[in-house]
Amino acid sequence: QVQLKETGPGLVQPTQTLSITCTVSGFSLTSYYMQWVRQTPGKGLEWMGFIRSGGSTEYNSEFKSRLSISRDTSKNQVFLKMNSLKTEDTGVYYCARDWVMDAWGQGASVTVSS
Amino acid sequence: DIVMTQAPLSVSVTPGESASISCRSSKSLLHSNGITYVYWYLQKPGKSPQLLIYRMSNLASGVPDRFSGSGSETDFTLKISRVEAEDVGIYYCGQLLENPLTFGSGTKLEIK
Repeated sequence: QVQLKETGPGLVQPTQTLSITCTVSGFSLTSYYMQWVRQTPGKGLEWMGFIRSGGSTEYNSEFKSRLSISRDTSKNQVFLKMNSLKTEDTGVYYCARDWVMDAWGQGASVTVSS
Repeated sequence: DIVMTQAPLSVSVTPGESASISCRSSKSLLHSNGITYVYWYLQKPGKSPQLLIYRMSNLASGVPDRFSGSGSETDFTLKISRVEAEDVGIYYCGQLLENPLTFGSGTKLEIK
């Protein structure tokens, strides 16, 4: 059974760094791309980037300068780190499997506020 | 960036009737390999998005055949036949042709 679950801090202060972990089960990270998509009140669904099955990454230039995606295949985890947070980064952050995003986690809600 | 424009913003449907949702891309989504990289997702209330249709017209696993996708290089339609109460939610089209992947702003389907 394919499962994805995001865990994050909930509340982050402006200018700080956001770290979210996506833990997966039922499939191997070495066989699938893993995507990150966020949903914000201002912009709706926004694709952030992905990590390929081989481990290379690609980012939306909108976030490129402050976003990093990595993984630990031994722990079946994918990581999102984004620095210099602003209030507009408030939203729900999802990890999704494969290029087509055929399975999604339940999302990690993030509020950026002081 | 490729802009995905959806219409209508919302649609209200009587159970058992059909509904159509339109999506237009600002650039052709037809790749030279013959595949059209438009996808449809449904976000049910309080849930994560789920894949409905991939590559314009292919039904994702577990999706009822009441759903169908069609279109051309830039104009696409999601049709829901015999709408049921469980179909309520927000429908998004997305293009997975090129970086950055982009989504439409969504169409909310309600039941009358």
